[in-house]
Amino acid sequence: AQTVTQSQPEMSVQEAETVTLSCTYDTSESDYYLFWYKQPPSRQMILVIRQEAYKQQNATENRFSVNFQKAAKSFSLKISDSQLGDAAMYFCAYTRSGSRLTFGEGTQLTVNP
Amino acid sequence: EAGVVQSPRYKIIEKKQPVAFWCNPISGHNTLYWYRQNLGQGPELLIRYENEEAVDDSQLPKDRFSAERLKGVDSTLKIQPAELGDSAVYLCASSPGVGRTGELFFGEGSRLTVL
Repeated sequence: AQTVTQSQPEMSVQEAETVTLSCTYDTSESDYYLFWYKQPPSRQMILVIRQEAYKQQNATENRFSVNFQKAAKSFSLKISDSQLGDAAMYFCAYTRSGSRLTFGEGTQLTVNP
Repeated sequence: EAGVVQSPRYKIIEKKQPVAFWCNPISGHNTLYWYRQNLGQGPELLIRYENEEAVDDSQLPKDRFSAERLKGVDSTLKIQPAELGDSAVYLCASSPGVGRTGELFFGEGSRLTVL
């Protein structure tokens, strides 16, 4: 079974600085998809960024980028120029085919002004 | 575009009572999911629908949980009878499907407290 591990239960960053959230996963598949989802307090979870395993290029979305290391099964999220609105729980997720997402346990990000 | 709508947002019941949650997905999204999120954990899939068909319900505790998606649009998740361990946030999500693999649109969730 696929597992997703987020080893940092909590992280904090100063506003305008950069923070990296870690994620590792376990799979025997060669084709799959990885995601970072953001869940602000009392608000719905939203997709931040998506990476296809067959693509060597790391995905980027404005201030959000990933470091995808397929051989190491590592998928970290870098948030640049952190803003107060980035404060949330961040979940790393994996799917082989899109039919079922497996989520990690989450990293609570605090942004300090 | 209206998002995924869930109700109620909060529900407090005593154990052994029944409870139901409702979800209206984004219009045109054929795939609907129910996830359960325990405190401090990531969501776990309970059931997935493709239109009105439940195609993955392997994680649904069928002795007390049931779900339906009549006409392939909105959906209801029911728990009867509720147990203390059912306290969690129940998330509904929908997906446009093909071409956007793994991109789920979530509702705000229904927080259940069982006393």
